Amino acid sequence: AQTVTQSQPEMSVQEAETVTLSCTYDTSESDYYLFWYKQPPSRQMILVIRQEAYKQQNATENRFSVNFQKAAKSFSLKISDSQLGDAAMYFCAYRSLVVGAQKLVFGQGTRLTINP
Amino acid sequence: KAGVTQTPRYLIKTRGQQVTLSCSPISGHRSVSWYQQTPGQGLQFLFEYFSETQRNKGNFPGRFSGRQFSNSRSEMNVSTLELGDSALYLCASSHRDRDTQYFGPGTRLTVL
Repeated sequence: AQTVTQSQPEMSVQEAETVTLSCTYDTSESDYYLFWYKQPPSRQMILVIRQEAYKQQNATENRFSVNFQKAAKSFSLKISDSQLGDAAMYFCAYRSLVVGAQKLVFGQGTRLTINP
Repeated sequence: KAGVTQTPRYLIKTRGQQVTLSCSPISGHRSVSWYQQTPGQGLQFLFEYFSETQRNKGNFPGRFSGRQFSNSRSEMNVSTLELGDSALYLCASSHRDRDTQYFGPGTRLTVL
C-alpha cells in the first residue's frame, strides 16, 4: 500500500517570502499522479498543483512550483511571494493509476501561517 | 461550470440513528469519491463510484454504504451512528479515470 508523509506539521513564513513544504511517499508503482491540495479555514479542499510521474519537468502554477524527485520519492511544494490568502492546511496526495485503486492517499498535512 | 455540491452542509444526529449525505458532481463528471476527515485519522478514503458501479472501497465497516445514480449524483449512508463517526465528509468528482479530483465543500456530521 502507498503511504504519504509530511514531516512538518506547522510552518510559518513572512508575507512576500518563499516557503517550501516537504512531502515523501512510498510506492512500488512506476506511473502515478501527485497532488498538492490546500484547505483554508472554510474546509473547502482546493487543488494547488498536479504532477504526473512520467513527466520529468516539474509542474508550475503561477507562484506555486514543485520539486519532484522520483528516485528519492520526494515531492516538495514551493510557494513564492507568499500572500495572506495562502494561509491554510496543505495536503500532499498520491493517486495510483491502477483501475479500481485510484483513491487519493493523503499525508497528514502541514499548517502554513503567513505573518504580515 | 458549477462546482461539486454537497448537502446538507451541517448535520447533527444522535447515536444509533442513520444519516444520508448527498453529492452532486461537476456536470459531465462520471466518477465520484468519498473521504472522511477527522483530526485523529486525517483524510481517509471511503469509496469510489464510476458510472453507477462501486470500483473501490476503503477500510470502513459495513455501516458505511453508498450508491451512484444514472445522473452521476451520489449518496452515502451511515447506519447505527457512533460518536466516532463525527467528521467532515468530503465528496470529490472527476471526469474520467485519470483526471484530477475536485472536491465539494463537505458535510460536517456531529454525532451526540
